[in-house]
Amino acid sequence: DGGITQSPKYLFRKEGQNVTLSCEQNLNHDAMYWYRQDPGQGLRLIYYSQIVNDFQKGDIAEGYSVSREKKESFPLTVTSAQKNPTAFYLCASSGLQGASTDTQYFGPGTRLTVL
Amino acid sequence: AQSVAQPEDQVNVAEGNPLTVKCTYSVSGNPYLFWYVQYPNRGLQFLLKYITGDNLVKGSYGFEAEFNKSQTSFHLKKPSALVSDSALYFCAVRDIRAAGNKLTFGGGTRVLVKP
Repeated sequence: DGGITQSPKYLFRKEGQNVTLSCEQNLNHDAMYWYRQDPGQGLRLIYYSQIVNDFQKGDIAEGYSVSREKKESFPLTVTSAQKNPTAFYLCASSGLQGASTDTQYFGPGTRLTVL
Repeated sequence: AQSVAQPEDQVNVAEGNPLTVKCTYSVSGNPYLFWYVQYPNRGLQFLLKYITGDNLVKGSYGFEAEFNKSQTSFHLKKPSALVSDSALYFCAVRDIRAAGNKLTFGGGTRVLVKP
């Protein structure tokens, strides 16, 4: 899992609540990503950021929001608008402004369960 | 558009036997291809990637993969499987002409190595 930390490891949310997942990296990477993993569906991209103060929607951004105020941090907020938020959330980072040859390295993940 | 298919949900192999995990891809341009492994409740670990050059790529833990452009495949192989190789394996592709640094993942293949 390298120099990428995610917290908390497990998170429980009541319906109607917003929750924020933390992702921090000390790899000096420019680009950061959020993925959602559901059983049998692989990983799907939620948001990504290639540089500080800039981010783009991925394939399933509805019901999520992000910020990128610092190079090392890329928090993800799961809002009450997300219809089915129970999933395993993975954060990743890669090097120079997300160059296409760069490898993405992943954090250990946060498992979110809606009660 | 870019896509990846992993046709086998699960692969069973006896310890010491060769292991192959299949992956085929579709991109409009030339591909960058990646293999990752995931152990239970953990993030993804990078195994290897193909960018250009030799079609046979060697990676971590004795794994290798062969890029076959005519068959649009990038199968992962290991000559002699270990019980500790039991995990979930993901193939991913990026079209070098696609905007951003977006990876598209296959649905994953679960590998079970029996002693």
